[in-house]
Amino acid sequence: KAGVTQTPRYLIKTRGQQVTLSCSPISGHRSVSWYQQTPGQGLQFLFEYFSETQRNKGNFPGRFSGRQFSNSRSEMNVSTLELGDSALYLCASSLATSGGSYEQYFGPGTRLTVT
Amino acid sequence: QQQVKQSPQSLIVQKGGISIINCAYENTAFDYFPWYQQFPGKGPALLIAIRPDVSEKKEGRFTISFNKSAKQFSLHIMDSQPGDSATYFCAAKSPGNQFYFGTGTSLTVIP
Repeated sequence: KAGVTQTPRYLIKTRGQQVTLSCSPISGHRSVSWYQQTPGQGLQFLFEYFSETQRNKGNFPGRFSGRQFSNSRSEMNVSTLELGDSALYLCASSLATSGGSYEQYFGPGTRLTVT
Repeated sequence: QQQVKQSPQSLIVQKGGISIINCAYENTAFDYFPWYQQFPGKGPALLIAIRPDVSEKKEGRFTISFNKSAKQFSLHIMDSQPGDSATYFCAAKSPGNQFYFGTGTSLTVIP
């Protein structure tokens, strides 16, 4: 079974621009979560999508948005980029099973550099 | 406010030794506690996880010890190997399926 794929792997953007990152979850997984990872703040939750609906949202400004398509693929968008948005953006997919289990499988991430 | 506190920040262990990483949480509603291993340039990989109704879970050389009353859990890596050198993250899941991660522990296993 193929793992979580993220594209692109690396991206360099200029302040003020916008960027769209893509994530393809493991086949059969309906939940996709996005995280921002930085050396200073660690792994921070951005949002989770399940069956095309945003189910959870972390504490990030409205410049960060996302969506999920009917095939469970997800995109996240960051508008008006700031230098502080430079980070590794990770996508994680899950079956979102019941009973207290929620195994998440991460993709390799997209390294975004804002100059 | 850090929902999950992880220590130590870095750890150096001799090959064959035991590596121990600790995490503490405040929210008693958390219902799932996974540990992740991350190598440079890679995404975190699920290592082992535990539910709060279990006090210990072992998978190979990796063991989670869970103390519900103290709101603490730890990862023990037995017979540590140089290939275990990586960053380890603990996490906790809320009933709303939101994950909170610790700040990570950089483990170096010296041959």
